[in-house]
Amino acid sequence: GQNIDQPTEMTATEGAIVQINCTYQTSGFNGLFWYQQHAGEAPTFLSYNVLDGLEEKGRFSSFLSRSKGYSYLLLKELQMKDSASYLCAVMDSNYQLIWGAGTKLIIKP
Amino acid sequence: ETGVTQTPRHLVMGMTNKKSLKCEQHLGHNAMYWYKQSAKKPLELMFVYSLEERVENNSVPSRFSPECPNSSHLFLHLHTLQPEDSALYLCASSQDRGTGGQPQHFGDGTRLSIL
Repeated sequence: GQNIDQPTEMTATEGAIVQINCTYQTSGFNGLFWYQQHAGEAPTFLSYNVLDGLEEKGRFSSFLSRSKGYSYLLLKELQMKDSASYLCAVMDSNYQLIWGAGTKLIIKP
Repeated sequence: ETGVTQTPRHLVMGMTNKKSLKCEQHLGHNAMYWYKQSAKKPLELMFVYSLEERVENNSVPSRFSPECPNSSHLFLHLHTLQPEDSALYLCASSQDRGTGGQPQHFGDGTRLSIL
């Protein structure tokens, strides 16, 4: 079966760095997405990786290793507004998104 | 106008009622999706439309009936729902279906509660 694993909850301190991991087993691979979802709001697109390596976008970076079935989202200089759920999703061979259950990130002052 | 708009934001209904959820996208996209989001569970894909034709129905019970009259609008008709159908229903759109790298854009969802 297809499976995406990510931690249920993480806590970090304002101004610090946090890494959210995602491991996957899917039927085929056409890229990996990270989304941010604040409580009661729409998921919003953060990043897309299809080749191995690191993609950097401001305070957020995303890494992919296809051979290991592994990705992480790195958030630097954490701000209180970064408190949200972070969703990992893999596009399989049918171009369907397979989603993880999300990681709730709590930022403390 | 926001990219993807869903109405209503909240809906409470009895098990014998009939209601509809509405989604409208202003992005000129060709593919639209319905998802169910339950607490602490992954998003579940319910239906996919591409150029107004349904291309996937992921074994969703017949009490959920989608309708896509044009590429900008998507409806989810509900009837005789069960308590376990209480969840957040999200609509999304993407430029096309079947092409990697295109993110899906989501609405804020309809929070559905079944009494």
